[in-house]
Amino acid sequence: GQNIDQPTEMTATEGAIVQINCTYQTSGFNGLFWYQQHAGEAPTFLSYNVLDGLEEKGRFSSFLSRSKGYSYLLLKELQMKDSASYLCAVTDSNYQLIWGAGTKLIIKP
Amino acid sequence: SAVISQKPSRDICQRGTSLTIQCQVDSQVTMMFWYRQQPGQSLTLIATANQGSEATYESGFVIDKFPISRPNLTFSTLTVSNMSPEDSSIYLCSVATGGSSSGANVLTFGAGSRLTVL
Repeated sequence: GQNIDQPTEMTATEGAIVQINCTYQTSGFNGLFWYQQHAGEAPTFLSYNVLDGLEEKGRFSSFLSRSKGYSYLLLKELQMKDSASYLCAVTDSNYQLIWGAGTKLIIKP
Repeated sequence: SAVISQKPSRDICQRGTSLTIQCQVDSQVTMMFWYRQQPGQSLTLIATANQGSEATYESGFVIDKFPISRPNLTFSTLTVSNMSPEDSSIYLCSVATGGSSSGANVLTFGAGSRLTVL
């Protein structure tokens, strides 16, 4: 079956750095997305990786290793507004999106 | 990216009743997607709504329970029929738009409809 694993919850301190991991087992691979979802709101797009390596976008970076079936989202200089759930999603060989359950990130002052 | 208006934002419903969720997009889109998100769980695709043809349902979801309309390229509805407490969830509509620098189709979501069935 197809599966995406992320930690359920993580806690970090304002101003620090946090890395949220995502591992996947899917039938084929056509890209990996990270979305941010604040409580009670819709998910919003953060990043997309299709090739191995690091994609940097301001305070957020996303890394992909296709051979390891692994990605991480790196958040730097954490702010209180970064408290949210972070969803990892993979597009399989049929271009179906497979979603992880999300990682709830709690930022403490 | 597209702007999506979804309503109702929340509702409390009685067992056995039906509720229709509406989704309006500010631009024409070929496909609209309906998702369900239960607390602490993944987003689960219910169906893809295509204009001018029957919706395509995912495994575990049937048209009798979740009828979908798609009368034009900017609007769709999802009905949750004969509701039971197990249908309590957040329902989200979404559309795919180009939005990443790599050209991948990024999903834009409506704000969601939180249904509670008593």
